Amino acid sequence: DIQMTQSPSSLSASVGDRVTITCRASQSMSSYLNWYQQKPGKAPELLIYAASSLKSGVPSRFSGSGSGTDFTLTISSLQPEDFATYYCQQSYTTPYSFGQGTKLEIK
Amino acid sequence: EVQLVESGGGLVQPGGSLRLSCAASGFTFSSYEMNWVRQAPGKGLEWVSYISSSGSTIYYADSVKGRFTISRDNAKNSLYLQMNSLRAEDTAVYYCARDQSYTSSGYWDAFDIWGQGTMATVSS
Repeated sequence: DIQMTQSPSSLSASVGDRVTITCRASQSMSSYLNWYQQKPGKAPELLIYAASSLKSGVPSRFSGSGSGTDFTLTISSLQPEDFATYYCQQSYTTPYSFGQGTKLEIK
Repeated sequence: EVQLVESGGGLVQPGGSLRLSCAASGFTFSSYEMNWVRQAPGKGLEWVSYISSSGSTIYYADSVKGRFTISRDNAKNSLYLQMNSLRAEDTAVYYCARDQSYTSSGYWDAFDIWGQGTMATVSS
């Protein structure tokens, strides 16, 4: 099974900041990496698929990069609505594992 | 509007059973693979099960294998999760999620549509 490890687990930042979240896989998996955003009491929402492709309708301040085992999600200029929990997920093979999540909080 | 709506959650005693349903609308359900994902209170996301568009291919997480059964009825645009021999650690919000295949420069899968979730609580 592929284990996904995100860092940091939590992050405090201010509106306008640039933030980066990292996700590391326990084995190489090409670009089969997705990122989701979840707000309290809501279902997750897909932001990025295939490591770097932005889902239609997602703001361009979100970007993803990486391949193999190391991936990043970057938010170029934080907006108030971006404070949420972010999860990476591998779709390379079942079981489709998620990272433990990164909670992005307002500083 | 593309939508998934789960139902069937509730309170059940350890060892009991629940059947979750997920009603799909706004898209051709029979063309999509589907998944169940759960989230224990205050915890992260855990993938539970996958079913192909025809229902012929199924996968489970080890934590539920042998106890949970995923199925679908394409004529009714519905996905199901039969949960037996329930344990306290199965307590979670259960989401159904559509598996979208993106085919730009390759073949990529991601969960692009999620339901609102249904809560299953296993407790005596």
